[in-house]
Amino acid sequence: DADVTQTPRNRITKTGKRIMLECSQTKGHDRMYWYRQDPGLGLRLIYYSFDVKDINKGEISDGYSVSRQAQAKFSLSLESAIPNQTALYFCATSPRDRDTEAFFGQGTRLTVV
Amino acid sequence: AQSVTQPDIHITVSEGASLELRCNYSYGATPYLFWYVQSPGQGLQLLLKYFSGDTLVQGIKGFEAEFKRSQSSFNLRKPSVHWSDAAEYFCAVVNFGNEKLTFGTGTRLTIIP
Repeated sequence: DADVTQTPRNRITKTGKRIMLECSQTKGHDRMYWYRQDPGLGLRLIYYSFDVKDINKGEISDGYSVSRQAQAKFSLSLESAIPNQTALYFCATSPRDRDTEAFFGQGTRLTVV
Repeated sequence: AQSVTQPDIHITVSEGASLELRCNYSYGATPYLFWYVQSPGQGLQLLLKYFSGDTLVQGIKGFEAEFKRSQSSFNLRKPSVHWSDAAEYFCAVVNFGNEKLTFGTGTRLTIIP
């Protein structure tokens, strides 16, 4: 099983619908992140959490919300999806130690029509 | 504001030729530096990382990178590329201040026979 699992892997939804992307990890890491990837823009940070009681906005948090249900689970919600939220979304985890890299899920391809 | 710059959006290299991908960062102090690779349809895999010490670091798949403090650069190199190296490459940094993992916009590498 993958260390960082994202569900669903692919999703098509309609404008205005609420949608939740889920991420779970078995690595025991404290820190979790949500990024979106768009062609030519790289990965941009949406939200990050350094522990269960800590939630921080990233550079593009508008239109998104998150919930850290447990150390192992970090979900991303789009309250009212819009077409420009069509993107590839990645969840990542890292330990508290700065000198250890982040580990990524396989991504969720979201299309808003 | 902190930033990571990858000036080359797309690079084409002949198989067997050498490769250098550029990465520059703007931070007050030396951040932790990473290179990740994303093969088509896949998540991100760590190639190598730099925290301190020897400024030339070796990674997986024959890649290396050199940290140059005077140029605020962390360029990725490979002496002889293989067709399987075709992918997108991302430079990333963790800044001591806020400890966010920030990515560059990526460089897409195409390999020609």
